[in-house]
Amino acid sequence: EAGVTQSPRYAVLQEGQAVSFWCDPISGHDTLYWYQQPRDQGPQLLVYFRDEAVIDNSQLPSDRFSAVRPKGTNSTLKIQSAKQGDTATYLCASSLGTSERLFFGHGTKLSVL
Amino acid sequence: GQQVQQSPASLVLQEGENAELQCNFSTSLNSMQWFYQRPGGSLVSLFYNPSGTKHSGRLTSTTVIKERRSSLHISSSQTTDSGTYLCALERPGNEKITFGAGTKLTIKP
Repeated sequence: EAGVTQSPRYAVLQEGQAVSFWCDPISGHDTLYWYQQPRDQGPQLLVYFRDEAVIDNSQLPSDRFSAVRPKGTNSTLKIQSAKQGDTATYLCASSLGTSERLFFGHGTKLSVL
Repeated sequence: GQQVQQSPASLVLQEGENAELQCNFSTSLNSMQWFYQRPGGSLVSLFYNPSGTKHSGRLTSTTVIKERRSSLHISSSQTTDSGTYLCALERPGNEKITFGAGTKLTIKP
């Protein structure tokens, strides 16, 4: 069974540039999470979906970040105008429902110069 | 405030020693998970343990809901156990999964 797949693995941007991250969850997993993990910190939830619906995006900086999961499978997280403070690893995770084990992708390591 | 607190923040042991990692939480919980992360690596699920004790090889996880704590015990540590150990919980009525800051474990040969 394929795990959670993320791309790209790395991204280096100048401030003000845009970037998109892509996530393919485990087949059949209805719940998908995006986390931001700054260096030497624990992951912090940005947004999560059940199927195509956003369940909670209260921690997503809405002026520059957006996330979609149009068919309830793959998901895209986009940063419109990156800032140095966005430097972090962006992790995607999926689960079969909530209150279930989480499975993580390898993450995308973003550096904003 | 801090809903999930892990201790110690870092731990250095000699190979063969046992490690005890703690996760304390300030709310009730629906689920508790422990993850392992190598530097620059992904998170690997170790335990899904909302209550009681579970074993996996040299690892043991114990969650005591009434005391609002969960622990991860590593026996006879090996250098390959080095990395960061993270706990994460889900609260009743709130499906967000919240992580602690992690314990950075270093096992010296």
